[in-house]
Amino acid sequence: GAGVSQSPSNKVTEKGKDVELRCDPISGHTALYWYRQSLGQGLEFLIYFQGNSAPDKSGLPSDRFSAERTGGSVSTLTIQRTQQEDSAVYLCASSLGSLETQYFGPGTRLLVL
Amino acid sequence: QKEVEQNSGPLSVPEGAIASLNCTYSDRVSQSFFWYRQYSGKSPELIMSIYSNGDKEDGRFTAQLNKASQYVSLLIRDSQPSDSATYLCAGKGVQAGTALIFGKGTTLSVSS
Repeated sequence: GAGVSQSPSNKVTEKGKDVELRCDPISGHTALYWYRQSLGQGLEFLIYFQGNSAPDKSGLPSDRFSAERTGGSVSTLTIQRTQQEDSAVYLCASSLGSLETQYFGPGTRLLVL
Repeated sequence: QKEVEQNSGPLSVPEGAIASLNCTYSDRVSQSFFWYRQYSGKSPELIMSIYSNGDKEDGRFTAQLNKASQYVSLLIRDSQPSDSATYLCAGKGVQAGTALIFGKGTTLSVSS
């Protein structure tokens, strides 16, 4: 079946602009995660959605970052007033349940000029 | 101590050798561990998960978990050039629910 998909695959923006990144999880997966990976760094947890529960936002680096998940499926990560340090690969993962294996999408490569 | 620590490498082994990748973790990481492989420019893919003390084998891969020492490792037998990648160790965070906490990864290079 289809895996996790993300769009756009690449995004170049100017400092100060807002960007929206999209994630389509695997059908039926109730848990959805956003991570960020900067060059030479490990994966940094951003936010986690599980079903209808309130999301765990403990990893969001600043209030410029927000995410929502509509209808328990598609999720959008929004970065307002982008800064150069926001440049990274943003990865989305989903899992069947909160204790199950996470499957990653191909990522969105964000470059803030 | 960082929550999940790995030696960044690079770890270089000849083809056919055993590659040993190591990871240590803090008390802020729970007892479920995962090894992901990430090729350059690609997203991580799961290789193995391990939850109990001891060894778990899957083909050429063996994961080892030692909870007393807070240590988890991945052994790759008969290493192949196609195994060349960055290997990420991850554990489930206690405070962050079930979100995975990743190490920075160890780069493995297998020479033919």
